[in-house]
Parts: sequence; structure tokens; C-alpha cells
Amino acid sequence: NAGVMQNPRHLVRRRGQEARLRCSPMKGHSHVYWYRQLPEEGLKFMVYLQKENIIDESGMPKERFSAEFPKEGPSILRIQQVVRGDSAAYFCASSPGQGQGAYEQYFGPGTRLTVT
Amino acid sequence: KNQVEQSPQSLIILEGKNCTLQCNYTVSPFSNLRWYKQDTGRGPVSLTIMTFSENTKSNGRYTATLDADTKQSSLHITASQLSDSASYICVVIALTGTASKLTFGTGTRLQVTL
Repeated sequence: NAGVMQNPRHLVRRRGQEARLRCSPMKGHSHVYWYRQLPEEGLKFMVYLQKENIIDESGMPKERFSAEFPKEGPSILRIQQVVRGDSAAYFCASSPGQGQGAYEQYFGPGTRLTVT
Repeated sequence: KNQVEQSPQSLIILEGKNCTLQCNYTVSPFSNLRWYKQDTGRGPVSLTIMTFSENTKSNGRYTATLDADTKQSSLHITASQLSDSASYICVVIALTGTASKLTFGTGTRLQVTL
């Protein structure tokens, strides 16, 4: 059973470009969480999604950031018109959402975004 | 405001020695507390989980304690190995239905040397 997969692992974008980060949850998991880790800081919650629904986006910046988790395919975190301050590691976690361990989150390896 | 504070920020110890990492939290509601190990360039991996009623839990050379009254937890690592070099993150979890809200500490960066 493959773990949470994220790609790309490293992404370099120039200021003003768009960044698309992908997350494939563990098999059987229908809940996805996105976190951001700035250098020398702890992980910060961004958004929580279930299939085709955004449940909690209280940690998402109001502009330029969006997330989706379609019925088919991976979850996508999109950052439009990136700025240097967006440089960070972005982690995805997934949980089953039901049954034993419904809420237990398993983390992916992260995508390191560098904005030049 | 929900917060998790960890100390020390960083720690260097010799291989074979023991160490204790501290965590204080002000998260409410509290469901459980986890310690994660995060190797450089990787995602966090869970080491232990402590529920409200548990005081101590061990996982190999890792022993976690929890005092829910004072809202403090510690992670004790015995007979440290070079592979223990990593960031150790204290995470407090609140449960709402089948969703979990995680509040992360900034971590203690441990370096084990020869």
C-alpha cells in the first residue's frame, strides 16, 4: 500500500508564475489536508478537503491560493502569481475519514517550492 | 489562541547519551498529543500518540509522557543513535467528527554526534 504521494518534490518558479502541487492520498483515504512549512517554522494548516468539497479553508491566504480534490485524480494546491514569500515546503496528509483511525493523518514527503 | 511551544529549539548530544525534549500546549479542545520525527527533506512520521488519560507511552527507545493538568509533554530518547538526528515535533490534535485539526510546535532540532 503506497503512502501519500506528492509531486513534484521540488518546484522552481519565477515571480508571477503559477505553481501546481499535486497530492495523491493513500488508497482508501478520502480526506486530504494541506500544510505549509516556512523555513525555521512549524507546519501550519492551510485547507482540509474531502472528495469534491472544501471542508475547512481557514488557513488559506485569501488571494492567489486555491485547492481542489476532484472525484477522480489527485488533490491540487494551486498558487497563482507566486511571490518570494511563497517559498516553503508544502505537505499533504490524508486520512480515511471513517472506520478505525478515521482521523489519523499520514503525511507525504512534501513539495519544496522555490520562487526566484 | 491555540499554541504549542517546544524546548529546547536545538540540541547536540553524543551518541549513546539520553535526552529529553519538552512541549507545553494551550490547545483546546484537546483530544490527543503526538510526537513526530521529521528527517530533513521528508514529511513528519508519527512516533507516539497520547490520549487524555495516558501518562506514559513507550515506543522502543522513545518514551513520551503527558500531564494533562499542566498541559505538558516530554519525549525521552535513550541510548541515542546517529539516525536519531532529526527534528522532533509536538502536535496537539483536536477532533471534530471525523476531522482532526493539528496544531504543530516548531520542533526541536536534535543532532547526535560521535
